[in-house]
Amino acid sequence: GENVEQHPSTLSVQEGDSAVIKCTYSDSASNYFPWYKQELGKRPQLIIDIRSNVGEKKDQRIAVTLNKTAKHFSLHITETQPEDSAVYFCAAGNFNKFYFGSGTKLNVKP
Amino acid sequence: NAGVTQTPKFRVLKTGQSMTLLCAQDMNHEYMYWYRQDPGMGLRLIHYSVGEGTTAKGEVPDGYNVSRLKKQNFLLGLESAAPSQTSVYFCASSFVAGVPGELFFGEGSRLTVL
Repeated sequence: GENVEQHPSTLSVQEGDSAVIKCTYSDSASNYFPWYKQELGKRPQLIIDIRSNVGEKKDQRIAVTLNKTAKHFSLHITETQPEDSAVYFCAAGNFNKFYFGSGTKLNVKP
Repeated sequence: NAGVTQTPKFRVLKTGQSMTLLCAQDMNHEYMYWYRQDPGMGLRLIHYSVGEGTTAKGEVPDGYNVSRLKKQNFLLGLESAAPSQTSVYFCASSFVAGVPGELFFGEGSRLTVL
């Protein structure tokens, strides 16, 4: 099955700085790579996703890059704000199964 | 729309007891999933269903059973609860028409097994 590794497990940045979270996956058949944000005590919610036929996708302050050859993908958050503080999960999979990374706790200090 | 609803939201069991978690979605989604979330381990897939009447095993299926008798409902059962099953359980659903898409999660069910 798929194995998704995510780093770092915790990340602390100053407000306004950028944050980068990296994930690797093992199954070359995976073709969908979403990122979820989970605030404390809440459900995970999709913030951005990328498919295997695309190398980069951007949505305002959030961007994701994918390197299929190296089997890794990354989340980039620019101009971080305190409300970005949460746990972020990457995932990899295909049309009916998704495997999640272990999560990154992002703390944005005002 | 209520989206994805899980019941109960909290439950405390003694070792060996049984229980069922109910997930209901009103979005007419084909696919439904049960995940468990433990500290430092992310979300791990227990079982999933690709349509009414179907179920399949995920990463950590042992000790759990599921049923999808109706399209809108996905039940997760613990026949003989163990302390290792103490966790937060999330149900999710997605609509897939040939391409993978967003998972819509329920609010979670916190289960403690003593």
